[in-house]
Amino acid sequence: EPEVTQTPSHQVTQMGQEVILRCVPISNHLYFYWYRQILGQKVEFLVSFYNNEISEKSEIFDDQFSVERPDGSNFTLKIRSTKLEDSAMYFCASRYNTGELFFGEGSRLTVL
Amino acid sequence: DAKTTQPPSMDCAEGRAANLPCNHSTISGNEYVYWYRQIHSQGPQYIIHGLKNNETNEMASLIITEDRKSSTLILPHATLRDTAVYYCIAPPYNQGGKLIFGQGTELSVKP
Repeated sequence: EPEVTQTPSHQVTQMGQEVILRCVPISNHLYFYWYRQILGQKVEFLVSFYNNEISEKSEIFDDQFSVERPDGSNFTLKIRSTKLEDSAMYFCASRYNTGELFFGEGSRLTVL
Repeated sequence: DAKTTQPPSMDCAEGRAANLPCNHSTISGNEYVYWYRQIHSQGPQYIIHGLKNNETNEMASLIITEDRKSSTLILPHATLRDTAVYYCIAPPYNQGGKLIFGQGTELSVKP
C-alpha cells in the first residue's frame, strides 16, 4: 500500500541552527501539508501546498518556515533558525484530490 | 470547520463494540464528516468519512443522524490495538482539504 514517508525520524539540533525535514508524498497526490504536534498537545496545521505554491498557512508558519517541492517527489519543510519551542513532531500529509489525507509517521525535532 | 464536540475519554472492553459519538450541529449541507485516529504520537490515520448516508469499511462503521447534527463511529470488535485518540472533523468544503484537529476522544480498550 502506498504511504507517505518522512526523514529523519528524529533530529536533534542546537537552537539557532537550520533544519530541513523531508517528506515523500504518495506519488500521484496533488495536495501536500505539514502539521506539527508539540508533546501532549493537539495536531496543528502549518501549511498546505498545491500546484507548486503555498495555498494556505497558519499563524504558526512565520518567516522562519518555508516549504519546497524541489524535484516533483520530495516535499520539504525548512526551519531557518530553530527555537526551543520548535521542538515537536512534524507530520507530512498528502492527498490526491478530494477525500482523505494520508499522513506520514512523523519527524521528531528536538531543539536544545 | 464546523465545530465538533467529542467526549474527552472513553473506555471499552476488548472484543466489545466501541461507539464514539460526535456532535457537529453547525455542519453545512456539503461538509463531510471525517474520522481519524492517532495511536501514541504516530501519524494520524484515516478511518472513514461520510456525508449523509451510513458508511462501512474494513475498519469501522459511521452512523450519521438524519439531520446530520451528530454521528457515531463504531468499532465493532475493539482490540487493544484500537487504543488511540479518535478525531471527528468536519472541514469546510472549499478550504483546500486541510483538517483542523480538536482534542478528540481518548479511547482505552481494556482486557
